[in-house]
This record gives sequence, structure tokens and C-alpha cells, in this order.
Amino acid sequence: LAKTTQPISMDSYEGQEVNITCSHNNIATNDYITWYQQFPSQGPRFIIQGYKTKVTNEVASLFIPADRKSSTLSLPRVSLSDTAVYYCLSVTTGGGNKLTFGTGTQLKVEL
Amino acid sequence: ETGVTQSPTHLIKTRGQQVTLRCSSQSGHNTVSWYQQALGQGPQFIFQYYREEENGRGNFPPRFSGLQFPNYSSELNVNALELDDSALYLCASSLAGTQTSPLHFGNGTRLTVT
Repeated sequence: LAKTTQPISMDSYEGQEVNITCSHNNIATNDYITWYQQFPSQGPRFIIQGYKTKVTNEVASLFIPADRKSSTLSLPRVSLSDTAVYYCLSVTTGGGNKLTFGTGTQLKVEL
Repeated sequence: ETGVTQSPTHLIKTRGQQVTLRCSSQSGHNTVSWYQQALGQGPQFIFQYYREEENGRGNFPPRFSGLQFPNYSSELNVNALELDDSALYLCASSLAGTQTSPLHFGNGTRLTVT
């Protein structure tokens, strides 16, 4: 089963850029990396997904290096409402689907 | 478009009992997966169903079982409840081919085992 690790917590201030890295040591050739945001008492919410290089959408960017052993979620100009737990997810399809969430990063944004 | 709904929202059971949790998929989604999230931890994958068949399973014992119905709704059954089963149980639906189809989560069922 893939093992994914993230920093436990990060602190930032409004308007700053935040980068959260996930290490996925057993990622398979065809695994995609997806990032989710979770607020207390809610289910995770999709942020962004990628396979390699760089992906950007209206809320975030995702950087995946050539070896794909890690990925970095970049949140530009965070606000107080971005305070949440962020998870990376890898999906392995060999021998049945297995979905592995990272350990989660608690982001706290202050004024 | 109707999102993923789970019922009940909260549940209290006694050790040794059995429990059934329910999930209605988002409209148009044919794949459902279940997760256990203990307090302060990330979601742990239990299993996934596609067109009524289990097509993936995490490291959970057989007393965790599931069903998917023709309308793609789903149930999670847990037998012989243990205290450590206390957690938030999340359901997520997606389109076939989870690799590129984002998961859409419900807000979970909070199970407390006493």
C-alpha cells in the first residue's frame, strides 16, 4: 500500500503563498495525485489533481517533479477561510483499487 | 444536482452490536467508496464499489462489509462493534475510473461505540 506523508501543520498570514508538500514513496506509474481540503465536521472537498509537471486551476497549483515521489500544493494569497486540513491522495489500481490519503496538514491562516 | 448524502449523521452503539450506515451517491456517479476517519487523523480507505461489485479494499477485517444497489446508493455494515470503531465514516461517490474522477464526499456519520 502506498505511504504518503505530509507536514503535520503550517502557519501563514493572509495574502501569503502557502506550499504544502506530500511525499508518496510507492507511487505507481499510472497513479494520479489529488488534493483535498477538509473543514471540521465536513467531508473532504476536491481542490486539484495532476499526474506530472504543473497543473493550475482557479484556486491552486500543483507541482509534481519528474520522479513523482512528491507533490506540492500551492495556495496563492491565502485568506482566513483557507484555514483547514489539507490531504493528498494517491490511487493505486493494481490488484484492485486502493486509495491512500496522506497524513494531513493543518493550515492555520492568521491576520 | 444532488450531492452525496449520508444517514444517520450521528449514532451511538454498544460494543458487540451491529450497525448499518447509508449513502446516496451524487447524481450520475456509479462508484462509491467508504472511509473511516478517527479523530485527528486522515481518512482510511475501507472499500470501493463499482456497479454493485467490490473492486478495491483497504486493510479492514471482514466484519466491515458493504453493498451497492442498482441506483448506486450504498451501505456500510459493521458487525461485532469494538470501541476502536468509534470514528467519522465518510462516503464518497465518483464516476467510473477513479484515477481522474474526483471524489465527492458526504459529511459523514459520526459513530460512537460505548
